[in-house]
Amino acid sequence: KNQVEQSPQSLIILEGKNCTLQCNYTVSPFSNLRWYKQDTGRGPVSLTIMTFSENTKSNGRYTATLDADTKQSSLHITASQLSDSASYICVVSAPGTASKLTFGTGTRLQVTL
Amino acid sequence: DAGITQSPRHKVTETGTPVTLRCHQTENHRYMYWYRQDPGHGLRLIHYSYGVKDTDKGEVSDGYSVSRSKTEDFLLTLESATSSQTSVYFCAISTHTSSYEQYFGPGTRLTVT
Repeated sequence: KNQVEQSPQSLIILEGKNCTLQCNYTVSPFSNLRWYKQDTGRGPVSLTIMTFSENTKSNGRYTATLDADTKQSSLHITASQLSDSASYICVVSAPGTASKLTFGTGTRLQVTL
Repeated sequence: DAGITQSPRHKVTETGTPVTLRCHQTENHRYMYWYRQDPGHGLRLIHYSYGVKDTDKGEVSDGYSVSRSKTEDFLLTLESATSSQTSVYFCAISTHTSSYEQYFGPGTRLTVT
């Protein structure tokens, strides 16, 4: 069964600090891996999308890495801001139709003063 | 939210009543999706559409039906609402299959009492 597991489930950090969120997946075959940010009460918003041939992708202070051999990805947030407080969801796509997306349950990040 | 609106945004209904949620897009994207999001679960696909009048089931389709009579509108109907359908429902759109970027709406919070 295709699965996406994220860790930690929740995380509290001080403003200005860095953090790294983890995503392990068992989806095969693999098309791409995405990270979404979901603010409370809002829909998910895409941060990055990577194919199996990409190792790293950045979007401002967000940097995602992918190791397709070990089926692991990470999302690194640099110099965190209060606005980074949100859930971060890892999503893995297999080739084909809409039924081929597997969503993780997310990491809830809280950035405090 | 990428030109996607959902209505209503909040709804409370009684068990056994029919409920229809609407998703409207202004992006002219071909693919539209309905997901539900529950604590402890990743987003789960209910139904999707790959064109006008073309729809297919997702992994949690029991108790739900959909219709798409126009490119811009995708309706989700709970034929006889149950308490287990209390959830947050998200609509998403994409230009191609789910291997491509998906854009999410703001969500509808449905409570079935």
